[in-house]
Amino acid sequence: AQSVTQPDIHITVSEGASLELRCNYSYGATPYLFWYVQSPGQGLQLLLKYFSGDTLVQGIKGFEAEFKRSQSSFNLRKPSVHWSDAAEYFCAVGAPTGGSYIPTFGRGTSLIVHP
Amino acid sequence: DAGVTQSPTHLIKTRGQHVTLRCSPISGHKSVSWYQQVLGQGPQFIFQYYEKEERGRGNFPDRFSARQFPNYSSELNVNALLLGDSALYLCASSNQGLSGWNTEAFFGQGTRLTVV
Repeated sequence: AQSVTQPDIHITVSEGASLELRCNYSYGATPYLFWYVQSPGQGLQLLLKYFSGDTLVQGIKGFEAEFKRSQSSFNLRKPSVHWSDAAEYFCAVGAPTGGSYIPTFGRGTSLIVHP
Repeated sequence: DAGVTQSPTHLIKTRGQHVTLRCSPISGHKSVSWYQQVLGQGPQFIFQYYEKEERGRGNFPDRFSARQFPNYSSELNVNALLLGDSALYLCASSNQGLSGWNTEAFFGQGTRLTVV
């Protein structure tokens, strides 16, 4: 069975600073990987996804993530954080099941942005 | 276009009661999935339906059931509620077919269920 570990429960950065959120996965085959963001009281919004090909994936809102098979990681990065980026971030791995995929989410990392 | 809509937004129930949560997918989307998000945790997969058939089921007890209607809307039912069922229940829709399972899922804002 697949699993996802987000080792940081909280991350605090200053506005304008760079950001890296860590994600490690466990899956027996080539994974399908996702990053979602959840603002307070909101549902989840997809930031980016990796299925195959280029291991550096560009997403919305200036985010990118790099798939590193050797490290079983899919870390999320942003060069300059804005105050509006404060939210909960979830990494997920998707396993194909009967023509669909079932994502397994990590516990999330809460991003706090200081002015 | 309207996004995924869920109703109600908040709900308080007593232990042992039954609850029905509703989800309307984005127009044209035929797949609906349900997730439970306990406070401080990531969403946990409960069910997926495509074309009114169950396509996936997570590790939840039989007290949890769901169905999808001809208009692709969906209901999640939970019987004999426990305090531990208190959570945010999220619905997601996508336009994935039997082979196109790499399509994006769009989430609703969820239903906050509190069991007292």
